[in-house]
Order: sequence, then structure tokens, then C-alpha cells
Amino acid sequence: NAGVTQTPKFRILKIGQSMTLQCTQDMNHNYMYWYRQDPGMGLKLIYYSVGAGITDKGEVPNGYNVSRSTTEDFPLRLELAAPSQTSVYFCASSRDDLMNTEAFFGQGTRLTVV
Amino acid sequence: DQQVKQNSPSLSVQEGRISILNCDYTNSMFDYFLWYKKYPAEGPTFLISISSIKDKNEDGRFTVFLNKSAKHLSLHIVPSQPGDSAVYFCAAKRENEKLTFGTGTRLTIIP
Repeated sequence: NAGVTQTPKFRILKIGQSMTLQCTQDMNHNYMYWYRQDPGMGLKLIYYSVGAGITDKGEVPNGYNVSRSTTEDFPLRLELAAPSQTSVYFCASSRDDLMNTEAFFGQGTRLTVV
Repeated sequence: DQQVKQNSPSLSVQEGRISILNCDYTNSMFDYFLWYKKYPAEGPTFLISISSIKDKNEDGRFTVFLNKSAKHLSLHIVPSQPGDSAVYFCAAKRENEKLTFGTGTRLTIIP
């Protein structure tokens, strides 16, 4: 029962480097999300997808890109890492966006940009 | 603009007693509310939810109360157990819109 799997769990990047955070889910969920959590803050939505081939911006999309070529995978790309992107990143998925549908979260990726 | 607020960053409760976690929201259009629980180094997990047509929802030791006029919801845990020590996030949404999360409250249960 894997659920939502994120890799890597930890990563240190230098300013200006790029990386991709991987997220995959095995529940055949249509909806997938990327959140970031900064210390003392709630989870902020970066990007989301309502199905393969469809993505949309959340609250804090600047500096990030996503793609959704399959139902299972929803990678998050950082092109030019900045210290402001130091955060914990969570991927989540849900069956749909109806009122009573919970989201399932991955374990998170702790990213530090130095 | 924090639409969902958890004003207590932390809370300590004796084992066996009641834990009450509070959450306030500003957007009167929210009509569905959820609580998530998060252990260190893990993602949040869904705990309990309530729709705006109800004022109470119960699931075992967990009860969520909603006061729409005050734009306030609370999570009651009775009795509190050591395994309840975690960070609790409340979240709210409108239909067809995304979840808005609060900042979290760290609950510590003292044995």
C-alpha cells in the first residue's frame, strides 16, 4: 500500500542549481498537488493537476514548473534554486475535488538551498 | 492574508485529559472543513472533517465542532493519548476550490 511516494527525502542545493522533485501515486487519483511548508506557516499550494496533461498554478507558483504526462506521476521542477525555496515540499493526491474527498500526502522532501 | 488561523502554535495536555485545538477562519464562503494530523518526517494524514450544514461530527475520540456565526471550529480529543502528540492542521475550502490550510498547532501529550 504505497499511496503517494516522494523522492528524494532530503536535498541540499546550491543557489542557481536545478532539480526535480519526484512524486508518484498508485491510487489512480485524478487530482495531484504540490505544497510547500515553511516554518510556522501552513501549507501553501504551488501547483495542482486535475488529470494527465492538465496543470494549473496555485498560490505560490513562481520559481517552479510541473508536468503531468501520466496519471501516476507529477514531478515538480526548480530551475534556478534560490534560498527562498528552502522549505519542506509535500505532494498529495485525491480522487476528485468534491467536498468530501480527502487528500493523501507523501512523506515530504526537505530542501535546503545554500 | 491568512484566511485560516490557528492562533496557538503549541499546546500541552496531560494524558487522559481533553485536548481542544482551535481554528478561526475569515472567509464566510468556506463550506467544508478538515483536520489533518502530522507526525515529524511524515506527510499530513486526514483525521476528521465537517461540512457547513452540520455543527458537530464525531469519530471515536475525535469530535469537531463548527460555529459558523463565529467562524470558528475546534477539535476535541478525549481522552488524550501519548500517540496524539503531533502537529494538527485545520483546513477549509469552498466547493470547486482548493484547500486553505492553517499554520498548525503542535500538541504534546504529557504522560
